[in-house]
Amino acid sequence: GAVVSQHPSRVICKSGTSVKIECRSLDFQATTMFWYRQFPKQSLMLMATSNEGSKATYEQGVEKDKFLINHASLTLSTLTVTSAHPEDSSFYICSARDLGFTSVRTEAFFGQGTRLTVV
Amino acid sequence: KQEVTQIPAALSVPEGENLVLNCSFTDSAIYNLQWFRQDPGKGLTSLLLIQSSQREQTSGRLNASLDKSSGRSTLYIAASQPGDSATYLCAGITSGTYKYIFGTGTRLKVLA
Repeated sequence: GAVVSQHPSRVICKSGTSVKIECRSLDFQATTMFWYRQFPKQSLMLMATSNEGSKATYEQGVEKDKFLINHASLTLSTLTVTSAHPEDSSFYICSARDLGFTSVRTEAFFGQGTRLTVV
Repeated sequence: KQEVTQIPAALSVPEGENLVLNCSFTDSAIYNLQWFRQDPGKGLTSLLLIQSSQREQTSGRLNASLDKSSGRSTLYIAASQPGDSATYLCAGITSGTYKYIFGTGTRLKVLA
């Protein structure tokens, strides 16, 4: 159980175009999903917290108009990188927290990541 | 600012050695701690989750401890194998917001 599916696993897009990444919780419902970014040889940095039915909360320094997040259902959050540039090339990973977890159980489950290359 | 640091940044050991990876954090909002493994170009594999009340978790050759008072966690790998070669990440989980704050990582190479 507790599977998070991320799609696509790899995408190449042209500079100036937009690309959408999907994050799905397959066997549980998630009111909260998180989006992380990892540059080569660096650790993961939280970009934003996605809440079902409400606006996402972005971390400092992350442009909300460039990284559009939609969490329209309890099993799906999407991240759209708009007007992509080569510097947006990175590894994007989502995670989801089970709606049924109490405050004591804090873990989230991670997708397998999406490698975005902007050419 | 919340920070999670890992020492050493890189480690190369011969097969069979026991080794310890260190993780330290400065923010008291970190409630639990989780260790992950990441292979090159891949996602995260969860290894161990330590809740603040547990202090220690074991799985096979892995043992992780957590000392919140000192802001430290260690991952102990017994009898290391070449297949253990990967980057190991620790992440503090904040109470209330459930955000993960990832450490800087330790790149481990176990030589056959």
